[in-house]
Amino acid sequence: EDQVTQSPEALRLQEGESSSLNCSYTVSGLRGLFWYRQDPGKGPEFLFTLYSAGEEKEKERLKATLTKKESFLHITAPKPEDSATYLCAVSSMEYGNKLVFGAGTILRVKS
Amino acid sequence: DAGVIQSPRHEVTEMGQEVTLRCKPISGHNSLFWYRQTMMRGLELLIYFNNNVPIDDSGMPEDRFSAKMPNASFSTLKIQPSEPRDSAVYFCASNLNGSPLHFGNGTRLTVT
Repeated sequence: EDQVTQSPEALRLQEGESSSLNCSYTVSGLRGLFWYRQDPGKGPEFLFTLYSAGEEKEKERLKATLTKKESFLHITAPKPEDSATYLCAVSSMEYGNKLVFGAGTILRVKS
Repeated sequence: DAGVIQSPRHEVTEMGQEVTLRCKPISGHNSLFWYRQTMMRGLELLIYFNNNVPIDDSGMPEDRFSAKMPNASFSTLKIQPSEPRDSAVYFCASNLNGSPLHFGNGTRLTVT
């Protein structure tokens, strides 16, 4: 059973077309939920950590939110340079210091 | 800081050969992780170390895989013998006391 599920698998947006990516999780004892961005040929790059339901974090055109069962990454007025794979990962009491990653959402923003 | 440094960036080898991947974590970090990424399975944790001691190797596929961390600034992941199904991108990451992971840029391994 997947502990971390991301949707959609792929998303194509026009420049300026806002949207949201979803990350749902089933682990118990959540310690933190992490969002990463991965560009082709590179390692994942850290974006945000969320620790408790109701928490929100923002960075430029990105805003991450967390509920008890899922997280959203909202992208407002995206630009082509926002194109990347966005990965969600969770750390929980049952996994100790390990991060369990979702499969990612491939975002393409066309100008 | 230079970040997590991995070498080589690309490795092409023949089935049956030994492969050694190398990682230098960020100075001061006390945990090191080896992940493997494939299209089919995404990012999978292979093993992680805390203060140079292996803590969880439950993700290591089989005995052909081994990892060492002889000191705080160096780790290796070895595959012997290698098989075509080992082809993937292998990432090393490090952190300090549960802080967000910092990843290297990976080693792309192709086993023919």
